[in-house]
Amino acid sequence: GAGVSQSPSNKVTEKGKDVELRCDPISGHTALYWYRQSLGQGLEFLIYFQGNSAPDKSGLPSDRFSAERTGGSVSTLTIQRTQQEDSAVYLCASSLGPGSYNEQFFGPGTRLTVL
Amino acid sequence: AQTVTQSQPEMSVQEAETVTLSCTYDTSENNYYLFWYKQPPSRQMILVIRQEAYKQQNATENRFSVNFQKAAKSFSLKISDSQLGDTAMYFCAFQDSWGKLQFGAGTQVVVTP
Repeated sequence: GAGVSQSPSNKVTEKGKDVELRCDPISGHTALYWYRQSLGQGLEFLIYFQGNSAPDKSGLPSDRFSAERTGGSVSTLTIQRTQQEDSAVYLCASSLGPGSYNEQFFGPGTRLTVL
Repeated sequence: AQTVTQSQPEMSVQEAETVTLSCTYDTSENNYYLFWYKQPPSRQMILVIRQEAYKQQNATENRFSVNFQKAAKSFSLKISDSQLGDTAMYFCAFQDSWGKLQFGAGTQVVVTP
């Protein structure tokens, strides 16, 4: 079956614009995670969904960042009023369920460049 | 909060040789999982090997094995018989009870002919 997919693959935007990043998890996976990978900060957790709920959004760096998940499937990460420090690769992962016994499968990421 | 430390930014190894990547972590949890992920230039994160903290036996996956020392909070990865396709960034990661991963800074492995 298909793996985790993310779109777009690359996104270039101007400072101050809003962007939406999309993640399609593996079918049947109830848990979904967003991570950010940047040169300065390495790989950081952003938010975790179980179904459509987000029990842990502790990694969102500011209120410009938000995410939602609908139908227990597709998730969208939205960054408002983008800043240059938002430039990074945004990775999405999904797993069968929450908990540390379920392997996370990663998507190929979206590379965001803010000019 | 957990922290994961990888102190080797880059390691170089010749084909067919062995390389060991170090990782230490800090946690107050007693039951957890540790992982090594590989990220080639394609950006795709690939699970290499997983270790459950309550298991004393070290995990092995083909040419990849770990040395897990729970008391010392150490989790090193050994790559045996290195191949050119092993060239990638390797991340050590700690997984909490929600499944959230905490990653180390990564070690770039370069396999040379």
